[in-house]
Amino acid sequence: AQSVTQLDSQVPVFEEAPVELRCNYSSSVSVYLFWYVQYPNQGLQLLLKYLSGSTLVKSINGFEAEFNKSQTSFHLRKPSVHISDTAEYFCAVTLNSGNTPLVFGKGTRLSVIA
Amino acid sequence: GAVVSQHPSWVICKSGTSVKIECRSLDFQATTMFWYRQFPKQSLMLMATSNEGSKATYEQGVEKDKFLINHASLTLSTLTVTSAHPEDSSFYICSAMGQVGEAFFGQGTRLTVV
Repeated sequence: AQSVTQLDSQVPVFEEAPVELRCNYSSSVSVYLFWYVQYPNQGLQLLLKYLSGSTLVKSINGFEAEFNKSQTSFHLRKPSVHISDTAEYFCAVTLNSGNTPLVFGKGTRLSVIA
Repeated sequence: GAVVSQHPSWVICKSGTSVKIECRSLDFQATTMFWYRQFPKQSLMLMATSNEGSKATYEQGVEKDKFLINHASLTLSTLTVTSAHPEDSSFYICSAMGQVGEAFFGQGTRLTVV
């Protein structure tokens, strides 16, 4: 079975500072990796994903994540955060075969301080 | 991108009544949908896998007689919380798989049982 660990439940950071949200996963088989963002009382929005190919994936709003197979990690980074980035971020994993559900980490609350 | 519509967004019901939540894939067919439950400030926990034309597969600890799932067509899955009680109050989210490796989420349903 797969599992996801997000080590930080809360990350406060000042506006325009860089941030890294950590994610480690466990799986005995190949997986797909995702980062989702959730704003209060809303569903999840896909931020970025790793399926194959380049290990560095980027989103349109400045986030990026790097798949590191040897360290089983998929940390999310942004060089300069904005107030609007305040949200809950979930790392998730799924098997790379067929219709399998996502397994989520516990989430990291990113709070950007003005 | 693909859209999953979930309805209602929020509902308040009396203890002992039943509530139906709909999840529709608007521009693609979904043979498989997933239902998640999210408690405040916690991650998403998979409740069940909904398969079109067959019985749903429930995760361990989820009462199938309480959380009835029907996936009658390739674009609609419903979750009915029967004889709801205050402890069933939660945020329920559905998702459907689009192309390989991509899950789309509904907006979520905030259920409050009073």
